[in-house]
Amino acid sequence: DSGVTQTPKHLITATGQRVTLRCSPRSGDLSVYWYQQSLDQGLQFLIQYYNGEERAKGNILERFSAQQFPDLHSELNLSSLELGDSALYFCASSATPGGETQYFGPGTRLLVL
Amino acid sequence: QQQVKQSPQSLIVQKGGISIINCAYENTAFDYFPWYQQFPGKGPALLIAIRPDVSEKKEGRFTISFNKSAKQFSLHIMDSQPGDSATYFCAAIAGGSQGNLIFGKGTKLSVKP
Repeated sequence: DSGVTQTPKHLITATGQRVTLRCSPRSGDLSVYWYQQSLDQGLQFLIQYYNGEERAKGNILERFSAQQFPDLHSELNLSSLELGDSALYFCASSATPGGETQYFGPGTRLLVL
Repeated sequence: QQQVKQSPQSLIVQKGGISIINCAYENTAFDYFPWYQQFPGKGPALLIAIRPDVSEKKEGRFTISFNKSAKQFSLHIMDSQPGDSATYFCAAIAGGSQGNLIFGKGTKLSVKP
């Protein structure tokens, strides 16, 4: 167990809908990262937050947004969902903004029908 | 420049054999190279990591070999066991304030009893 928790574990929704994925980092970790894992693209970095502030952006679509709250948990919001958004979404946390040692949560499996 | 290329895509090894997974990178700013192990339905778990100032790091049956001049690194799993059957990802990260991991595409390892 990495200490990173993610909810929900599974999510099934329809195209055009909006969902929110939640992540709680390991105790004491200030950095949160979101990754998308799909069969064809592998693990792709989406966005990083450090102590409540956006730190880095990767291949994140404009339909997606995230935030980190004062208690350090983070939420990833996915809107106007398309079939191609079906994937595993992982949250990771690290103690520092440099993020060399990242601990991954169990993921949320999103299926868009 | 940002890619990490991993091979092979899949690997079948007999129990007790040596599993070897290779990765190559282009970005010389990368200064930390972790390997992650992922079982089906689980998040990636940090296995072992190396910095470019050492040529080899060993932890139990797992060894990373690093060739800085060739910009290549590899994971060796000695005495492979059926419990090692998983997908392995190499990754790289550049030091500094932005800590997003760049992942290889993954290698699915099957260890036959």
